[in-house]
Amino acid sequence: NAGVTQTPKFRILKIGQSMTLQCAQDMNHNYMYWYRQDPGMGLKLIYYSVGAGITDKGEVPNGYNVSRSTTEDFPLRLELAAPSQTSVYFCASSYTDRDYGYTFGSGTRLTVV
Amino acid sequence: QKEVEQNSGPLSVPEGAIASLNCTYSDRGSQSFFWYRQYSGKSPELIMSIYSNGDKEDGRFTAQLNKASQYVSLLIRDSQPSDSATYLCAVNPGNKLTFGGGTRVLVKP
Repeated sequence: NAGVTQTPKFRILKIGQSMTLQCAQDMNHNYMYWYRQDPGMGLKLIYYSVGAGITDKGEVPNGYNVSRSTTEDFPLRLELAAPSQTSVYFCASSYTDRDYGYTFGSGTRLTVV
Repeated sequence: QKEVEQNSGPLSVPEGAIASLNCTYSDRGSQSFFWYRQYSGKSPELIMSIYSNGDKEDGRFTAQLNKASQYVSLLIRDSQPSDSATYLCAVNPGNKLTFGGGTRVLVKP
């Protein structure tokens, strides 16, 4: 099993550009999450989804959008990139919302210049 | 007040010693608690989960939970240089995990 796959692994964006971070899981998990991690810090929740067609905001949603058209995929869209969005982005999935830990993807390191 | 708090460290321990990490949380309704290990430049990996008050042991790791005092701890026995990493405490107050800032652990040979 591939688990949670994130692409790309690295990306440099110019201020004002847009991009989509891809996330796919093959474990048939209903719950999927996007976190960002700034240097030396913990993870902050951007958006999450409890199933196909259902998404909700996390702690730091401004500047991002998500969609969940299938169980497998949960892309994160950055519109009008800003230097404050320079971070490492992790996608994660879980079987339930409470009693299981998350499986994380390998991350996308994004730099906005 | 942060929802999940950890001492950022670094916690320096000699090889073979016990590393003790602590985490406090603010939401009394939290029901599930996790410890993740994160090596530099890598993604977090789950090492322990605990749901009930008391201790839970898995190999060299022991997680301890005290819901009345709202803290979770992790003990790493016989610490090895390969245990050098950042340890993230995560708490689930509802349908998503809230993470602490992590404690960096350095195990010195």
